[in-house]
Amino acid sequence: EVQLVESGGGLVKPGGSLRLSCAASGFTFSSYAMHWVRQAPGKGLEWVSSISSTSTYIYYTDSVKGRFTISRDNPNFSLYLQMSSLTAEDTALYYCARAPTRVAAPDYWGQGTLVAVSS
Amino acid sequence: QSALTQPASVSGSPGQSITISCTGTSSDIGSYNYVSWFQHHPGKAPKLMVFDVSYRPSGVSDRFSGSKSGNTASLAISGLQAEDEADYYCTSYTTNNTWVFGGGTKVTVL
Repeated sequence: EVQLVESGGGLVKPGGSLRLSCAASGFTFSSYAMHWVRQAPGKGLEWVSSISSTSTYIYYTDSVKGRFTISRDNPNFSLYLQMSSLTAEDTALYYCARAPTRVAAPDYWGQGTLVAVSS
Repeated sequence: QSALTQPASVSGSPGQSITISCTGTSSDIGSYNYVSWFQHHPGKAPKLMVFDVSYRPSGVSDRFSGSKSGNTASLAISGLQAEDEADYYCTSYTTNNTWVFGGGTKVTVL
C-alpha cells in the first residue's frame, strides 16, 4: 500500500526555520518525482515545489524561491522541505505527493503536516 | 503565475450532471495536455480523479470525465451522488516547469 507520512510541522515565529519530512513506503520511491503542495487556512491548494526522481530537476513557486529547499534521500525513502525566513503567509497544511514522472500530476498524497507561523 | 480560474461553487441534485470549468492561459492549459483534477474532502488527502486532460486512474468511477478546449479544461460529473460532495481542484503544468492550481470549486449535492 502506498503511504506518504509528513512530519515536522509546528508553531514557529516569523523569520524562523522549519524542516518538513515525508516518509514514503509501499512503492519504489527512487522512481517517482515528488511534490510539496500547501493549503492555507480557508484557501485552496497551492503548489510549492517539485523534485525529479534523481534530484536533477528542482522547481519552486516564486513566493518561496530563495527561502525553501526541497531535497530527497532515495535510499531512505524520504523527502524534505527546508523552510527559512518564514512569514505568516507560509502558514498552511503542507502535503507531500508523488508523481509518476516529472511532468505528471501527483497521484498519491499524504495527510499533511501543519505549519503555523505566528509571534 | 496566476491561479487557474474555477467557479467557486456548483450544485446539482442526485442523478443530475454537472460541469466544472477551469480557465488558464497559453502558458499552462493551452500549452500542454497535462491537466489534472483532484477531489478533496476536508481533512483527507486529495484524490486524483483525472490526469492528462481525460484519463481516469484505476478505481475512479466513469461518472467522472475530463476534456479541454484551448485554454479551458472541464470536469464533468454525471449521475451525481451524495459522496461526490467535495472540493474539486484543477491543476496544469506550465511553461515554467511549475504547476498551477485552480482556486477550487465546492460541489454541493442538493
